[in-house]
Amino acid sequence: QQQVKQSPQSLIVQKGGIPIINCAYENTAFDYFPWYQQFPGKGPALLIAIRPDVSEKKEGRFTISFNKSAKQFSLHIMDSQPGDSATYFCAALSGGYNKLIFGAGTRLAVHP
Amino acid sequence: NAGVTQTPKFQVLKTGQSMTLQCAQDMNHNSMYWYRQDPGMGLRLIYYSASEGTTDKGEVPNGYNVSRLNKREFSLRLESAAPSQTSVYFCASSEGTGGADTQYFGPGTRLTVL
Repeated sequence: QQQVKQSPQSLIVQKGGIPIINCAYENTAFDYFPWYQQFPGKGPALLIAIRPDVSEKKEGRFTISFNKSAKQFSLHIMDSQPGDSATYFCAALSGGYNKLIFGAGTRLAVHP
Repeated sequence: NAGVTQTPKFQVLKTGQSMTLQCAQDMNHNSMYWYRQDPGMGLRLIYYSASEGTTDKGEVPNGYNVSRLNKREFSLRLESAAPSQTSVYFCASSEGTGGADTQYFGPGTRLTVL
């Protein structure tokens, strides 16, 4: 049972494009939504995170958009670069619990 | 600072063999985690420890045991390995005892069970 559904599985864009990765959840108790970035052969690393009291958060070229009523959130990468090629995971957590629930991941390739 | 370290990096086991995956962190973090990563399934939590001396089950604990040896070290043991346990295993740590902290991941252990 996948509590956080992530799409697409893979994504190819040209340099400068704006890839968008989407996630949806069912559990309304989730109140923390991080995105992790993973390069081949490495462990995931936190990229950006949002709480449901805001609808958008930007950090550099990375933006999370959050739609609480639709129970969806997405990651946008502005002016994407070949160095952004990685696998991206969304995740969700319910307050008071230590258990992050991850999406299945999106493999992004940014072509020069 | 080394961050989160894991040993070994690679391991091949035969069905029924046992082994222990080691994890250590040097960030004085309270919480530590073990995940497995399988294609198309993201990362799934096996066990976690919110503080020294405590452990709790995650999503997929069957077939595994853990030990929080001290604040720095958190080991994962497979008592009788099965092919279904072929995966990449990641250890992680975070500063607090709650969940909404940045988790720092190790480089992973790639395990194959024949």
